[in-house]
Amino acid sequence: DAKTTQPPSMDCAEGRAANLPCNHSTISGNEYVYWYRQIHSQGPQYIIHGLKNNETNEMASLIITEDRKSSTLILPHATLRDTAVYYCIVRVSEDDKIIFGKGTRLHILP
Amino acid sequence: SAVISQKPSRDICQRGTSLTIQCQVDSQVTMMFWYRQQPGQSLTLIATANQGSEATYESGFVIDKFPISRPNLTFSTLTVSNMSPEDSSIYLCSVGGGRIHEQYFGPGTRLTVT
Repeated sequence: DAKTTQPPSMDCAEGRAANLPCNHSTISGNEYVYWYRQIHSQGPQYIIHGLKNNETNEMASLIITEDRKSSTLILPHATLRDTAVYYCIVRVSEDDKIIFGKGTRLHILP
Repeated sequence: SAVISQKPSRDICQRGTSLTIQCQVDSQVTMMFWYRQQPGQSLTLIATANQGSEATYESGFVIDKFPISRPNLTFSTLTVSNMSPEDSSIYLCSVGGGRIHEQYFGPGTRLTVT
């Protein structure tokens, strides 16, 4: 079973920041938080991952709470191309299998 | 990054037949995985394809139904055996591991069983 809980769907206006929450209250100390997204009819795409500290790359920012029981993926300026299902995942290492939950279906509104 | 191709991209098959899906990667990879995505659903892991040994199957999936081969570090096959309409899904190959945090996914094979 997936170890994360996400809202089933969210809306965000184009150009605004999209903030996608994820609960992972049973996360272990050595587990990373990963985010992937799946645009319609494509395979999932890696976005970002982190352990304790906040992370930022060219796609998004990841904010992890101090107790590590939840995190937020931030898309700073959402565009229509960001419409996708976003998956929050926890795993021990890069050799660990990925178990997908139901994810959050993000709708970007023009 | 890894570039993954899958063959066929889609197929329509009759009940009771079998289909073998190929996954080819452009570089040697440590881990290869096979997923299934039924219509409107999330991805479900079928198995981890181990090079040189039997695949490791997840609960609910068995080797007789989904035999997997991995003859080398760049190639794997998944066979869907004795198909029924319930096997209609997208089947995705994925690669990763070896100090690379990203796991890359192929474009998928869309299977319809009639």
